[in-house]
Amino acid sequence: GDSVTQMEGPVTLSEEACLTINCTYTATGYPSLFWYVQYPGEGLQLLLKATKADDKGSNKGFEATYRKETTSFHLEKGSVQVSDSAVYFCASFIIQGAQKLVFGQGTRLTINP
Amino acid sequence: EAQVTQNPRYLITVTGKKLTVTCSQNMNHEYMSWYRQDPGLGLRQIYYSMNVEVTDKGDVPEGYKVSRKEKRNFPLILESPSPNQTSLYFCASRDYDSFSYEQYFGPGTRLTVT
Repeated sequence: GDSVTQMEGPVTLSEEACLTINCTYTATGYPSLFWYVQYPGEGLQLLLKATKADDKGSNKGFEATYRKETTSFHLEKGSVQVSDSAVYFCASFIIQGAQKLVFGQGTRLTINP
Repeated sequence: EAQVTQNPRYLITVTGKKLTVTCSQNMNHEYMSWYRQDPGLGLRQIYYSMNVEVTDKGDVPEGYKVSRKEKRNFPLILESPSPNQTSLYFCASRDYDSFSYEQYFGPGTRLTVT
């Protein structure tokens, strides 16, 4: 079945460091891909998305490129801030059937000043 | 403001005591869904609904019921809660015809069953 795998956390970085959170997916079709962010005590917010191969999603300095050849959608940011501390979820979406989001296990990111 | 609301936000209950978590959206979305979030497992779909009176099981439906009598509301019912249903629950909705496929999430309900 469809699945999403994220790099193991937690991840701790210093402010202004570079960030990469790996995400790979398996899918029977051609999914849309998303990154959601969950700040402490809050619900999920859409961070960025890509709906087809080679699309690049970007928001708040974060970027991710839909790589069909490697079935990946890695999240990157060039210079992280303390306010980026949160849990990040990679997810895939298939329009057929249940139309559900399939989530990775989440990666907790902590940025130290 | 476009939003998905859930109530209650926090709930502590005992095994076997029936409870309902409400979910409401004001975006006229056809599709609504419930997920549970557990550490190390991400979010998993419990039930979903394509429209009024149309519901179906997700990946982890055991121990849960839903109903969709109105387009805006999609309550989650635990007839006889058990400790393994202790979790963080999210309701979500999306526009069925939207090609962005974005789902909008509620703030979450943290349930503890003792």
